[in-house]
Amino acid sequence: DTAVSQTPKYLVTQMGNDKSIKCEQNLGHDTMYWYKQDSKKFLKIMFSYNNKELIINETVPNRFSPKSPDKAHLNLHINSLELGDSAVYFCASSGPTSNEKLFFGSGTQLSVL
Amino acid sequence: AQTVTQSQPEMSVQEAETVTLSCTYDTSESDYYLFWYKQPPSRQMILVIRQEAYKQQNATENRFSVNFQKAAKSFSLKISDSQLGDAAMYFCAYRRQGGSEKLVFGKGTKLTVNP
Repeated sequence: DTAVSQTPKYLVTQMGNDKSIKCEQNLGHDTMYWYKQDSKKFLKIMFSYNNKELIINETVPNRFSPKSPDKAHLNLHINSLELGDSAVYFCASSGPTSNEKLFFGSGTQLSVL
Repeated sequence: AQTVTQSQPEMSVQEAETVTLSCTYDTSESDYYLFWYKQPPSRQMILVIRQEAYKQQNATENRFSVNFQKAAKSFSLKISDSQLGDAAMYFCAYRRQGGSEKLVFGKGTKLTVNP
């Protein structure tokens, strides 16, 4: 069983569209994260949630809206997609049993045309 | 704010040789954690090794070991007996103590292993 799973793995869309990326973890972790990896491979935190509550929001445009229906899920909705949103988006989770490390999903490569 | 610096954008090593990847970080905290993650072309983020700041002993995981110098805020990764499968991006990362803290990453080092 995949510990942190995100769907879809690839997403190709037109500028101006709205899209969502889903993430689920089956590790029982309390905290979930979204990271963005740009074309230069730099990984930067976007959001984190702890038990469905927003903990970190790192100056991300309002077009990005995370939603956590329960502590096992953290979805990312993006409105009015722009060319600069093209990147790989990683979901991750951590918890009391994770020994301080983050478990990452396999990433979603978003291409905005 | 905590920052992590990897000064080597690219490194290369011959198969079976040893290579060291550098990492420095900046923090005012005394308790924290340091990590090296590997990202092969498959894109998956794989934990290589982890170090607690309160431990003086350097962490080791098979062919991977670290040189942790707390006073110098340095955390280098040594890969011994390099294998072709070690070729990947390597990211150094810092995490403050606390269950919900984020990982702060360096910009990465691309490691090439030559046969």
